[in-house]
Amino acid sequence: DAKTTQPNSMESNEEEPVHLPCNHSTISGTDYIHWYRQLPSQGPEYVIHGLTSNVNNRMASLAIAEDRKSSTLILHRATLRDAAVYYCMVQYAGNMLTFGGGTRLMVKP
Amino acid sequence: EPEVTQTPSHQVTQMGQEVILRCVPISNHLYFYWYRQILGQKVEFLVSFYNNEISEKSEIFDDQFSVERPDGSNFTLKIRSTKLEDSAMYFCAGANAYEQYFGPGTRLTVT
Repeated sequence: DAKTTQPNSMESNEEEPVHLPCNHSTISGTDYIHWYRQLPSQGPEYVIHGLTSNVNNRMASLAIAEDRKSSTLILHRATLRDAAVYYCMVQYAGNMLTFGGGTRLMVKP
Repeated sequence: EPEVTQTPSHQVTQMGQEVILRCVPISNHLYFYWYRQILGQKVEFLVSFYNNEISEKSEIFDDQFSVERPDGSNFTLKIRSTKLEDSAMYFCAGANAYEQYFGPGTRLTVT
């Protein structure tokens, strides 16, 4: 399985954009890039996924590097409710997810 | 919006006892998964289930574990003889292809 590298933690101010980076230099051509988050005392929650092109949905945007070796999850306006652990994973569709340590996002009011 | 449900929310059992954790995935999902998370640790994959059979399993999923989808709606995880180290949050998830939808989890405490 392709491995990912994320910073252990990041801090943001409320109402400001947040850019969460992820390196996945060993990604294969058929792997999708997935982002999930886990709020305190809850199960993981799907955020966004992509293959090659940048993606937007109601929760976030995903910017994928041209060589696909890295990606950035963008929260356009962080709220206190966005404080969570964010996981970047690369997997083929339908396969199990391999969770790493993720990035703990702290949002300051 | 449809959601994944899991019962019970908390199960306390004695070492050596059998437990069954239940999940009702979203009805049109095709792939099903069980994960666990020991307190303070990362989420770990246990097993995936597709077309009424196990498609993949991890080293954690040994002979003490089994999964079943008995009636087309419920998805169960059975642990035959629980050990202290089975204490964890157990999450089920379902998917059609890319997006996995997780349940709220069952906290299993083995004493």
